[in-house]
Amino acid sequence: GQNIDQPTEMTATEGAIVQINCTYQTSGFNGLFWYQQHAGEAPTFLSYNVLDGLEEKGRFSSFLSRSKGYSYLLLKELQMKDSASYLCAVTNNAGNMLTFGGGTRLMVKP
Amino acid sequence: DAGVIQSPRHEVTEMGQEVTLRCKPISGHDYLFWYRQTMMRGLELLIYFNNNVPIDDSGMPEDRFSAKMPNASFSTLKIQPSEPRDSAVYFCASSLLGGRGGETQYFGPGTRLLVL
Repeated sequence: GQNIDQPTEMTATEGAIVQINCTYQTSGFNGLFWYQQHAGEAPTFLSYNVLDGLEEKGRFSSFLSRSKGYSYLLLKELQMKDSASYLCAVTNNAGNMLTFGGGTRLMVKP
Repeated sequence: DAGVIQSPRHEVTEMGQEVTLRCKPISGHDYLFWYRQTMMRGLELLIYFNNNVPIDDSGMPEDRFSAKMPNASFSTLKIQPSEPRDSAVYFCASSLLGGRGGETQYFGPGTRLLVL
């Protein structure tokens, strides 16, 4: 089975940096996705990690440690529009099934 | 590109009624996924299809739920009879490669279902 843990809520200030952690225990693993979901909307793709290390994409970066079952999403220069839920999702061995964590609701304050 | 299309966007029904949710995947995508999202359980995979064939339905909660994909451009998720605990947002998603190699799934806008 899959067990994925994320903090439920986080609060940060506009312009700051925030790190959202995700730990997982899985019977199979191929890669890890991060999705962003604004209230009332569908999840949208942010990043994908399959190898250990940091993937940087503009203001967003994602890190993976396969040996530790750990990932984080780093958001820099926070903007009000970054207020959303951030979902960590792990793929199975075949890479075609996603198991999602409960999501972290991020509130960005002025 | 129209993206994944779902209908209806909102559905309110009474316990015991049949509910049918519809999805049109992105043209050319061979994989289609049905998810359910609730506050308590988060986003859960219910079933997925590859080339119109159901591959894994282990997430389907019980026999009241059924899903079909009669052709490459249409899928339905049916709940019969519906119960209040089925109230949730149901998302349909599609992808070309099923998510392999880091390919993302593309989610539709969802159907908000409320069973009274």
